[in-house]
Amino acid sequence: NAGVTQTPKFRILKIGQSMTLQCTQDMNHNYMYWYRQDPGMGLKLIYYSVGAGITDKGEVPNGYNVSRSTTEDFPLRLELAAPSQTSVYFCASSYSMGQGAGEQFFGPGTRLTVL
Amino acid sequence: AQSVTQLGSHVSVSEGALVLLRCNYSSSVPPYLFWYVQYPNQGLQLLLKYTTGATLVKGINGFEAEFKKSETSFHLTKPSAHMSDAAEYFCAVTRNSGYSTLTFGKGTMLLVSP
Repeated sequence: NAGVTQTPKFRILKIGQSMTLQCTQDMNHNYMYWYRQDPGMGLKLIYYSVGAGITDKGEVPNGYNVSRSTTEDFPLRLELAAPSQTSVYFCASSYSMGQGAGEQFFGPGTRLTVL
Repeated sequence: AQSVTQLGSHVSVSEGALVLLRCNYSSSVPPYLFWYVQYPNQGLQLLLKYTTGATLVKGINGFEAEFKKSETSFHLTKPSAHMSDAAEYFCAVTRNSGYSTLTFGKGTMLLVSP
């Protein structure tokens, strides 16, 4: 049971480039999330998904896109990278949301630098 | 709307001393509350959570937290700090009804000195 896996671990992008951050979970969780973590700011929710084919915006969605074609995978797409997107990105999954709130399981993170 | 305030971005204790990390929340409906820990260069892992029932919640590694509705608080404690407790700790809140995402505090870095 690998849990939540993320690739790549590190990446440097030039301004204007695009990339996809990969996230896969093997716990058969319906709910998946993308967060960004900036020093001293905690975690901010970018997008989340309540199941395959269903996604919704979080607190800071601008500059990002997501898709959820399978239960296991939840990739995050950055189009036209900007220095403000330099951050550590975490993917997470859970069995439930809110009522009956289940624990969120986090991946190890992707450290992205945009220069 | 929900929010979480963690008092103190850094807390320093000596090994063997009491650990107290403060968390206050704001929620218009009854909350579910969580404490997560993040070790360097790792993702977050759950320490403990309060959903319903007993207001004193015990978690992993000897940590516990008490939900105090009247004070809107969910402070994290550990009687005796260990060097391995040095990490960043995040308090988080969600609603206990419907679908709701987690709202995290800004985190408190716990420093443990010998």
